[in-house]
Amino acid sequence: GAGVSQSPSNKVTEKGKDVELRCDPISGHTALYWYRQSLGQGLEFLIYFQGNSAPDKSGLPSDRFSAERTGGSVSTLTIQRTQQEDSAVYLCASSLDSTNQPQHFGDGTRLSIL
Amino acid sequence: AQSVTQLDSHVSVSEGTPVLLRCNYSSSYSPSLFWYVQHPNKGLQLLLKYTSAATLVKGINGFEAEFKKSETSFHLTKPSAHMSDAAEYFCVVSGRLDTNAGKSTFGDGTTLTVKP
Repeated sequence: GAGVSQSPSNKVTEKGKDVELRCDPISGHTALYWYRQSLGQGLEFLIYFQGNSAPDKSGLPSDRFSAERTGGSVSTLTIQRTQQEDSAVYLCASSLDSTNQPQHFGDGTRLSIL
Repeated sequence: AQSVTQLDSHVSVSEGTPVLLRCNYSSSYSPSLFWYVQHPNKGLQLLLKYTSAATLVKGINGFEAEFKKSETSFHLTKPSAHMSDAAEYFCVVSGRLDTNAGKSTFGDGTTLTVKP
C-alpha cells in the first residue's frame, strides 16, 4: 500500500501478557517513529529509527518497552508484562529521512489492557 | 531545547466563519514547524509545514499558517470553516539534524468543533 500500515488495529489482552505491535513504513522512508497517545492526550514520543539504528530511545517509558527494526523497513514495538497504564493508541510514522521531513502516520494500534 | 504550546485546548466556531488555532513555540535555533490534523480513530495527516522559506505557508483544505519569528508563533487559520474540519489539530516543532535529529515535539492538541 501507499501509506504506513500498522497491525493489529485493535488489541485486547490481559495484564501481565506480552504484546507485539507492528509497523510497515512507506517504502523508501528511512526514518521511523513510534508514539503513544493516551485518551484525550497529545502524542508522547517513544523512539525513532534512522535505518535500523535507534539514535533516540529516550521516550521509552520503562525497560518493559523495546523496539527493533530490521532491513530498514518493518518495525516492531514490544511491551512485556503489560500493565493497565499501557492502554493507549500506539502510532507509527515514517519520513524520507530525519532532516525535518513531514511524518506520515498510520492509523495506530488501539491497545487495551484488562 | 524546544517546546510548543497550543494556547487553546478547545475551539468552537460556526460553519462558514473563520478558524484561528494558536501555537507558540520555543527553540534555540531556526525550527521547522508543522500542523497536523487527526480525525477520530485515524492517524495524523499533515496540513502544512514551514521550513524557513516563505513565512506564509498554504496547506491542504484551505488552511494556512504564518510564521512570526518576533512573536515565536505559528497560528493556523482558515477563512471559512466546514463541518468536515471538526477534528484534533496538533502543532509540531522539529529539531535540526545535528542537534535534535528526528526529535519532534508535539503540542497537546486543539479540538475544533464546528457548529451548523
